[in-house]
Amino acid sequence: KAGVTQTPRYLIKTRGQQVTLSCSPISGHRSVSWYQQTPGQGLQFLFEYFSETQRNKGNFPGRFSGRQFSNSRSEMNVSTLELGDSALYLCASSLTGGSGNTIYFGEGSWLTVV
Amino acid sequence: AQKITQTQPGMFVQEKEAVTLDCTYDTSDQSYGLFWYKQPSSGEMIFLIYQGSYDEQNATEGRYSLNFQKARKSANLVISASQLGDSAMYFCAMREYLKTSYDKVIFGPGTSLSVIP
Repeated sequence: KAGVTQTPRYLIKTRGQQVTLSCSPISGHRSVSWYQQTPGQGLQFLFEYFSETQRNKGNFPGRFSGRQFSNSRSEMNVSTLELGDSALYLCASSLTGGSGNTIYFGEGSWLTVV
Repeated sequence: AQKITQTQPGMFVQEKEAVTLDCTYDTSDQSYGLFWYKQPSSGEMIFLIYQGSYDEQNATEGRYSLNFQKARKSANLVISASQLGDSAMYFCAMREYLKTSYDKVIFGPGTSLSVIP
C-alpha cells in the first residue's frame, strides 16, 4: 500500500515568488493536513481538508492557502515568498480525521527561499 | 491551551540497551489521543505508536511501548533493544477529540536520540 506522496521533494525559490506543493494521501484516506517545520518554531499546523473543504486552519497569514480535489489529493500554495518561509512542509493523511484515526505523514517538501 | 513538553533535547543510548523518552502534556479535555513519531534526517515522519486517553492498557508496537500515566499527564516512549537505525528525532504529539480539532495535532519540540555502537 503506497504511503503519503509529496512532490516536489526539494525546491529553491526566490523571495517574492509563489510555490505550489502537492500531496497524494494514502488510498482511501479522505483527510489531508499540512504542517510547517522549522528549527525555530518546530512543527506547526497549517490547515486540514476533508471532502474538498477546509475544516481547520492554523495561525498562518493568508499567503498560505490550500485546496483538496475530489480524489483527496491536496495542494498548498504560498504566495509572495519570504525568507522565513524556508522550511520542511509535511503533508499527512488519515481516514476521516476523527478520533482514533492514525495520522500518516509523507517525506515532506524541503523549500528554500533565497 | 494544548501543550506538549519533551524535556530531553538530546539523549544517548548504548546499542541493545533500552531507553525512555519523556513526554508530558497539558489538556483540559478528557478525550484525546497521543502519538509518537520518529523523524530521521531524511525528513519523513514515521508513525510509531498511539495511545487513546480511554485506553486502559499501555500501547505496545514491537520494540516500542508507551508508558501512559494519565493522572500525571505523562506518555513516555520506551524503546527496547536499541538499534543504530533508531538514531533520529522523536516527537510526542497530541490530538484532542473535539469535533473542531479533527487532525490538528500539537507536537512537542522533539528529542534527538543517538544510538552508540
